[in-house]
Amino acid sequence: KNEVEQSPQNLTAQEGEFITINCSYSVGISALHWLQQHPGGGIVSLFMLSSGKKKHGRLIATINIQEKHSSLHITASHPRDSAVYICAVRKLGDYKLSFGAGTTVTVRA
Amino acid sequence: SAVISQKPSRDICQRGTSLTIQCQVDSQVTMMFWYRQQPGQSLTLIATANQGSEATYESGFVIDKFPISRPNLTFSTLTVSNMSPEDSSIYLCSVDPGQGTDTQYFGPGTRLTVL
Repeated sequence: KNEVEQSPQNLTAQEGEFITINCSYSVGISALHWLQQHPGGGIVSLFMLSSGKKKHGRLIATINIQEKHSSLHITASHPRDSAVYICAVRKLGDYKLSFGAGTTVTVRA
Repeated sequence: SAVISQKPSRDICQRGTSLTIQCQVDSQVTMMFWYRQQPGQSLTLIATANQGSEATYESGFVIDKFPISRPNLTFSTLTVSNMSPEDSSIYLCSVDPGQGTDTQYFGPGTRLTVL
């Protein structure tokens, strides 16, 4: 079983809808990353979390360390939010990242 | 933050040839990583490149196929050697600026198609 599980695998929303992507992990971590990958392939780091909640514009990321779970929320979604969203964790004592399979988000106008 | 550029951004190559991908960072970083993302898959770490030492390869990746150079703290290259269609992937460079930040930055990627 993968150390990092994301759900859903695919998500389609209408413009303006609230979107939630979930990430569960099974190992002790020092940090969790949410990444965004557009069709061109480049990856942008959205958030790095070790506790609590972070907000940037319409994006909100939360993490519950005890439950080993994180969520990425997109409020008032827009077609430009269409991308693959990837959860990645840095295990305790390791410098490498373990990646989830990604969630493909499509927002329709 | 660190700004990363990669060259080329994409290429189409013939079977049996080699391609060298360059990664340039706008600041000095200790750790650089090379990832491969095959179609429809998530990222897989190829190797970790530290300046002044041999790259450390992950299981399933060997130096003869993916030689890496790291001549200084802002630059690295990855060569994909003797290419086959199975090497068609996005190759991404990533850096860890260190200093206990746990942050990792990614480059724009190189999209490689092997015919």
